[in-house]
Amino acid sequence: DGGITQSPKYLFRKEGQNVTLSCEQNLNHDAMYWYRQDPGQGLRLIYYSQIVNDFQKGDIAEGYSVSREKKESFPLTVTSAQKNPTAFYLCASSIIGGDTRGDEKLFFGSGTQLSVL
Amino acid sequence: AQKITQTQPGMFVQEKEAVTLDCTYDTSDQSYGLFWYKQPSSGEMIFLIYQGSYDEQNATEGRYSLNFQKARKSANLVISASQLGDSAMYFCAMSIAAGNKLTFGGGTRVLVKP
Repeated sequence: DGGITQSPKYLFRKEGQNVTLSCEQNLNHDAMYWYRQDPGQGLRLIYYSQIVNDFQKGDIAEGYSVSREKKESFPLTVTSAQKNPTAFYLCASSIIGGDTRGDEKLFFGSGTQLSVL
Repeated sequence: AQKITQTQPGMFVQEKEAVTLDCTYDTSDQSYGLFWYKQPSSGEMIFLIYQGSYDEQNATEGRYSLNFQKARKSANLVISASQLGDSAMYFCAMSIAAGNKLTFGGGTRVLVKP
């Protein structure tokens, strides 16, 4: 079945440590996104990518880094510069250029819960 | 910059009744899309319904319908015949640019009572 796989489901970070969240999709989507969700709140965009080897900062990119070496993969690294990393992280993908904007709806993975030890 | 506001942090609804979730948006763009997503306790985001800014008819998808009032900049979600499985967080979102970056509201938690 096609979909988006995020791993791990739970991740713990020690102070000063970088951690990487994995996101893989087999939907053949061009665009991929990373969102952060804090408890009881909406989603905020961290980074997005519309094509391999290119990505743009979202609203809260500080303390995070990404890469897009393959169309299927868009890993997110939470660096030690991110002082408040505890959150639920959601990866998403979409097509670009559908017949309507609705065709470009986002498909989401099941998320990674990151906590600080 | 665009903004999405959901003013209802939480609400109860009786099983089999309808419920309306409010969403207002702010953008100066003429072309935009409005989306509703459902987030169960498991965490994944499930797409429910879409409304384009130029669509003349309100969108419907099964038990979900969208009450789109462009002049008032509102896009309320109506869930008819609520079921226990409808208990979840519901998010309204908007896109204005190509590539479909979504801006999300803060969400409304719905709890369906038997």
